[in-house]
Amino acid sequence: DAEITQSPRHKITETGRQVTLACHQTWNHNNMFWYRQDLGHGLRLIHYSYGVHDTNKGEVSDGYSVSRSNTEDLPLTLESAASSQTSVYFCASSESDRGSEQYFGPGTRLTVT
Amino acid sequence: EDQVTQSPEALRLQEGESSSLNCSYTVSGLRGLFWYRQDPGKGPEFLFTLYSAGEEKEKERLKATLTKKESFLHITAPKPEDSATYLCAVQKARDTGRRALTFGSGTRLQVQP
Repeated sequence: DAEITQSPRHKITETGRQVTLACHQTWNHNNMFWYRQDLGHGLRLIHYSYGVHDTNKGEVSDGYSVSRSNTEDLPLTLESAASSQTSVYFCASSESDRGSEQYFGPGTRLTVT
Repeated sequence: EDQVTQSPEALRLQEGESSSLNCSYTVSGLRGLFWYRQDPGKGPEFLFTLYSAGEEKEKERLKATLTKKESFLHITAPKPEDSATYLCAVQKARDTGRRALTFGSGTRLQVQP
């Protein structure tokens, strides 16, 4: 069955370190998204991609970057981790058509100490 | 600016006690309104997409409806396994091509036996 996976599921890192969160989907979807979820804020968009070599900034993109070298993967990099980036991160994917539902991964819980 | 507001923040029901969750939205042109269910420690799970006012969709004990300003998720005779956080999200019809979603903060539902 097609699926979307994230790794690691839990990560503890120190302030200032570079961290990369992986997202892999086997739906063959062109659209991929990264969100963060914090209490009181719901899910907020970090970055998104509509296809290979395409990336776009979301509402909370400062301190994050993504690259899309193939259809299946959209890794999220925290260039220099900060305590404010402690959160749960979700990756999602959807088909190209507007109005298509997004399918979410299981999430990565990141703690920056 | 797009806004999605969900109410109540939390709801506790007895098994069999029907109720409704509200999602009010402000968006310049709605392409679709999405409902998701999220269990603790997991990613959001897609439930419904509504595209136009007057549309309704049902799945087991859940029924989603849409007006021009809000959506309701009706839960009929809930069971303890319906306990979860329910998320509402909107997608804009016209923009630079963005297909990402704007989420509300969710309603935490607890159904007691």
